[in-house]
Amino acid sequence: QSALTQPASVSGSPGQSITISCTGTSSDVGSYDLVSWYQHHPGKAPKLMIYEVTKLSSGVSNRFSGSKSGITASLTISGLQAEDEADYYCCSYAGSSTLVFGGGTKLTVL
Amino acid sequence: QLQLQESGPGLVKPSETLSLTCTASGGSISNRHYFWGWIRQPPGKGLEWLGSIYYDGATYYNASLNSRVTISVDTSKNQFSLKLTSVTAADTAVYYCARQGQTVGRMSWFDPWGQGALVTVSS
Repeated sequence: QSALTQPASVSGSPGQSITISCTGTSSDVGSYDLVSWYQHHPGKAPKLMIYEVTKLSSGVSNRFSGSKSGITASLTISGLQAEDEADYYCCSYAGSSTLVFGGGTKLTVL
Repeated sequence: QLQLQESGPGLVKPSETLSLTCTASGGSISNRHYFWGWIRQPPGKGLEWLGSIYYDGATYYNASLNSRVTISVDTSKNQFSLKLTSVTAADTAVYYCARQGQTVGRMSWFDPWGQGALVTVSS
């Protein structure tokens, strides 16, 4: 299966809101509410932020939220903070017991 | 709290087999609520799911690896392992292990992740 499509980079100023999109197909994102989002600071272990499209992982700030429309899932971060600067990856169940990740988005906090 | 730790050689020669083990502490690999997965990240690139295993040994693989991947589990040692055969420089990556949740029997989220192990393929 092909990787989910994410923008290579997004940026925003502290306090602003940003949205990262994750576009798949009718075989993955469009068919299952099993999209998860990960925050990855280089050199560290990725961290689960959102699972099952909209559910917030334990301990994660409610500034993070997820949604889905058709074949596109989205991660929104409100009240942007410097510590949010990281790489973000989406992941979806793709049927037949397989999973696919997005290519990743680098978030820069200006 | 569950913790995972990858271990294995950091350098593998081309055409040989990459072998890594993930050891779980603070939780049991035999927990039937979870799968256990391997993910990698080549330098400068994104994450790639390699495959997953259930405690009973059922395995699921990324077909793009052309059957080079084998994942096994040793519940007595609370470990699961990855083998990748016929490696090339393209297999150089940080390899992560992670616990996987399931929803209505389908593999879902990864949490937590191990710290990752850098494996370089070079002669």
